[in-house]
Formats: sequence, C-alpha cells, structure tokens
Amino acid sequence: GESVGLHLPTLSVQEGDNSIINCAYSNSASDYFIWYKQESGKGPQFIIDIRSNMDKRQGQRVTVLLNKTVKHLSLQIAATQPGDSAVYFCAENRNDYKLSFGAGTTVTVRA
Amino acid sequence: DADVTQTPRNRITKTGKRIMLECSQTKGHDRMYWYRQDPGLGLRLIYYSFDVKDINKGEISDGYSVSRQAQAKFSLSLESAIPNQTALYFCATSGQEGTDTQYFGPGTRLTVL
Repeated sequence: GESVGLHLPTLSVQEGDNSIINCAYSNSASDYFIWYKQESGKGPQFIIDIRSNMDKRQGQRVTVLLNKTVKHLSLQIAATQPGDSAVYFCAENRNDYKLSFGAGTTVTVRA
Repeated sequence: DADVTQTPRNRITKTGKRIMLECSQTKGHDRMYWYRQDPGLGLRLIYYSFDVKDINKGEISDGYSVSRQAQAKFSLSLESAIPNQTALYFCATSGQEGTDTQYFGPGTRLTVL
C-alpha cells in the first residue's frame, strides 16, 4: 500500500555536526510535505514544509530536499544542538487536507 | 502550541467507561483533526472536521465519536473504552487560507485499565 516512511528509526549525532534525516514516500500524487519535530511530552511542532513544485527549501538551520524522481524527502539540520534531540516525522498531503505520517526518527545529540 | 489546548492532559480510566477528550483553538482555523499516537508508530487520523457542520471518519474511527460544537471546539469521545485505546491523543488544526500545515495541541495521555 501507499505509505510514508523514514529510513532509520534512530539517529545519533555529535553536537555541532550536521544531521540528515531521510523519508521515502510512495504516492506520486502527493503535492505537499511537512517535517515535524516532537519533543518528549509535547505535540508535534512544525519545522518546515515544501511543495512538489520545489526541490529545496531552507529555513533557520534546516533544509528540506525533495527528490520526486525517487520519491525521497530529507531534512538536514546544520550544526546540531542538544535542543534538536527529538523525534522527527515527515508527513505528506495528497491535496485533500489530510496528512499521512511516517513512523518517526529519534535523533539523539551526543555532547 | 498554546493556541491549541487539550483537556485533560492525562487520564486513567477503566474498561467500559465513557471518556471525552476536549480540544479548543484560538487560531481561528476552520479545520480540526483528532489523531492517536502509539509507540513506534506515526500519527493515525481518527476523525476530522472542515467546519461546524462537517464530520468525517479517518483511518481508525471505530470505537470513537466526535462532536464539533463550535468552530473553536472539537471533542473526541470513547463510548466504551477498551485497553487497546491506551495511547497519546492529539488534536490539530489547519487554516482556512488554504495552507495544509497542521498545528498540534500538547496531547492527552489516556490509559485504559
């Protein structure tokens, strides 16, 4: 079936290094993608989004890359900090205002 | 996000009890959603509403019902709670301006014994 999935359930990164979190999707009709960050005990928090007519979008310390050819989405976090430790979810929208979420990648930042 | 609030934040109940979870938002959004989150899984959509007169089932609506009392309020009910409904429940909203971005509340941790 069609789904959104993250390649790795966990990622350990040294403080100061760059993090890359990957996500694969299978629905070619998806036209909007979002990355969320969920800290312990909190709800998912919007990080950055990208529409299917773009292949790259940058925010503050974060960059989202979209490769529609291979249906791949990634989130890059520059100079990872301890506060970046969280679970990261990708979500896709198929133009019906409902989101389909991946299972999440837990990022742990090592001091 | 303080603009989306959920009550209660934690609840422990017994099998067979009726439970209501409430969500309020001050973002002025038309669209509201209820999700559940289980360990190791992503968020799964239970119900959603695009305005006060609109209620739609999500992918896992069995055992749940909802009420959209006003634009700002969307409640989720478990008519007869069972242990496999133990989960984190999140409410979310999205804007009428056409953006698909959803904004989440802090969640309710529900335990059914």
